[in-house]
Amino acid sequence: AQKVTQAQTEISVVEKEDVTLDCVYETRDTTYYLFWYKQPPSGELVFLIRRNSFDEQNEISGRYSWNFQKSTSSFNFTITASQVVDSAVYFCALSYMNTGFQKLVFGTGTRLLVSP
Amino acid sequence: DTAVSQTPKYLVTQMGNDKSIKCEQNLGHDTMYWYKQDSKKFLKIMFSYNNKELIINETVPNRFSPKSPDKAHLNLHINSLELGDSAVYFCASSQGERENEQFFGPGTRLTVL
Repeated sequence: AQKVTQAQTEISVVEKEDVTLDCVYETRDTTYYLFWYKQPPSGELVFLIRRNSFDEQNEISGRYSWNFQKSTSSFNFTITASQVVDSAVYFCALSYMNTGFQKLVFGTGTRLLVSP
Repeated sequence: DTAVSQTPKYLVTQMGNDKSIKCEQNLGHDTMYWYKQDSKKFLKIMFSYNNKELIINETVPNRFSPKSPDKAHLNLHINSLELGDSAVYFCASSQGERENEQFFGPGTRLTVL
């Protein structure tokens, strides 16, 4: 089965703390793609990053970094020096082929609350 | 320029009514999707169209009928609305291959009274 688990329902931190959002996935495919999306309180879904199953290099973008480990089927997301504007629901997602076309399955999301 | 747009943004209606939500993308993508996000924020795919052809149809009541007049548009018509249809509906588009990210519209919040 294709599945994404985000075990942390809600995380609360104080500004400037570092925080890691966990994502564990299950798939039978050998080629797959992983994504993170951000949903701020305004409601839109914003794409953050894409990773393919052959590239286990960690990625850093400003205060954001991602750790992809195939051995543990995890794709974790760390925010360094969190800010109030980081408050949002973050979704991890897995893309796989279904009848020849892309299908995206989302985790249940982690709500991050950053207080001043 | 808005990449993926949806109208209306909010929709409040009575049980039993029929309503439509429209979606347009100007990204030149060949694949479009409808997702439903429930009150617990769970996002689930409903339908997907590739070049106007239905390619994914999840277990959705047949009161929901998507229509794609061209590859830039994907509309969702809902008949005989029920309380449980209240949710946020997101349209998305991508260039069909699985490695490409999906771009989402702003969502339509549907409230059925």
